[in-house]
Amino acid sequence: DAGVIQSPRHEVTEMGQEVTLRCKPISGHNSLFWYRQTMMRGLELLIYFNNNVPIDDSGMPEDRFSAKMPNASFSTLKIQPSEPRDSAVYFCASSPRRGRTGELFFGEGSRLTVL
Amino acid sequence: GDSVTQMEGPVTLSEEAFLTINCTYTATGYPSLFWYVQYPGEGLQLLLKATKADDKGSNKGFEATYRKETTSFHLEKGSVQVSDSAVYFCALSDRLDSNYQLIWGAGTKLIIKP
Repeated sequence: DAGVIQSPRHEVTEMGQEVTLRCKPISGHNSLFWYRQTMMRGLELLIYFNNNVPIDDSGMPEDRFSAKMPNASFSTLKIQPSEPRDSAVYFCASSPRRGRTGELFFGEGSRLTVL
Repeated sequence: GDSVTQMEGPVTLSEEAFLTINCTYTATGYPSLFWYVQYPGEGLQLLLKATKADDKGSNKGFEATYRKETTSFHLEKGSVQVSDSAVYFCALSDRLDSNYQLIWGAGTKLIIKP
């Protein structure tokens, strides 16, 4: 079975540019999570979807960040405009059964560098 | 609110040494407890879990026992290998939280020297 697939794996962009990160969750999983990881702040939950509906977006840092899940097999995280402080590794994770088990399956991450 | 505290790293050991990484938690409800591992350049993956007091989770030679009386879930391994070098995260999921969100520790970096 394929795991969680994220793209791109690496993105280097200039301040002010739009960045779109993509995620394909594991088939049959109905919960999807976007996390951000930095040395300074560790692992932060940005947003959580259940059955394609955003349930908790309290971790989204500001209006420059937006996330969508148009169907069960695809989600995007968009940053517009990007800033150097957005540089981080962004992880997508999926989970079965509304995340009840606490068992998340992570993708390999998208490393974003904003110059 | 709920929280997880892990020992600070990095933890540096020689191959075949005994490993303990401490994890303690606070929770208002009835948490399940987890250890995740992140190898360099990869995403996190579940290492082991325990869902109730006195449960022992185990996987790949690692063990952790859910101790309600000490609110702890320490990770142990009897003989570490270079390939165990990674960052280890302790986490909890509180069943009184309707969203079942995971609360994460800060992570402990483990370095094993040959």
